[in-house]
Amino acid sequence: SAVISQKPSRDICQRGTSLTIQCQVDSQVTMMFWYRQQPGQSLTLIATANQGSEATYESGFVIDKFPISRPNLTFSTLTVSNMSPEDSSIYLCSGGAGERDGYTFGSGTRLTVV
Amino acid sequence: AQTVTQSQPEMSVQEAETVTLSCTYDTSESDYYLFWYKQPPSRQMILVIRQEAYKQQNATENRFSVNFQKAAKSFSLKISDSQLGDAAMYFCAYRSSRGGSYIPTFGRGTSLIVHP
Repeated sequence: SAVISQKPSRDICQRGTSLTIQCQVDSQVTMMFWYRQQPGQSLTLIATANQGSEATYESGFVIDKFPISRPNLTFSTLTVSNMSPEDSSIYLCSGGAGERDGYTFGSGTRLTVV
Repeated sequence: AQTVTQSQPEMSVQEAETVTLSCTYDTSESDYYLFWYKQPPSRQMILVIRQEAYKQQNATENRFSVNFQKAAKSFSLKISDSQLGDAAMYFCAYRSSRGGSYIPTFGRGTSLIVHP
């Protein structure tokens, strides 16, 4: 299975600023996803990161707020823009290479907006 | 749309004993994949076990095994000889095998507490 390195692991940010989270995969993966998770809660899918094209966003998430890049099959970034305290959460990236593969996850980024 | 239900928000078990976490799902598809993930306090989501729907044999990974009942759309996880390190949030997940439908659906999770 692929190994995903995610950084930063945590950050405390001022409201109104932006933070970019990076995920580097040690092998090519077909699918990559970005999730948000409140502590003790399930995962909420933000978007599917598409290689070389615009991400596909889930209902309630928009590109202006959460721009995503995926320049190749091993790397993706998520930016949380114009942050407010409501954006405080854990952000996770996930990826997989094949149909039967369970997706691998990054270690998560704990974001606190003050 | 597929849904995944984990009806047990929290479960507890004594060390060395066995515990079963339940998961049910709803789908109209006949071919799909099911997964159990473990998320300890460190946040790292770890794949515990996977099951292909076309396989009747229940998947097993060391102390972890599943009871897959396709007709009942049930996919429970059994942890044998529980260890303190098994304490974590466990998520059941479903994924279609249809091309272009690879987005997984997760349950709400079950928090497993292991008592020494």
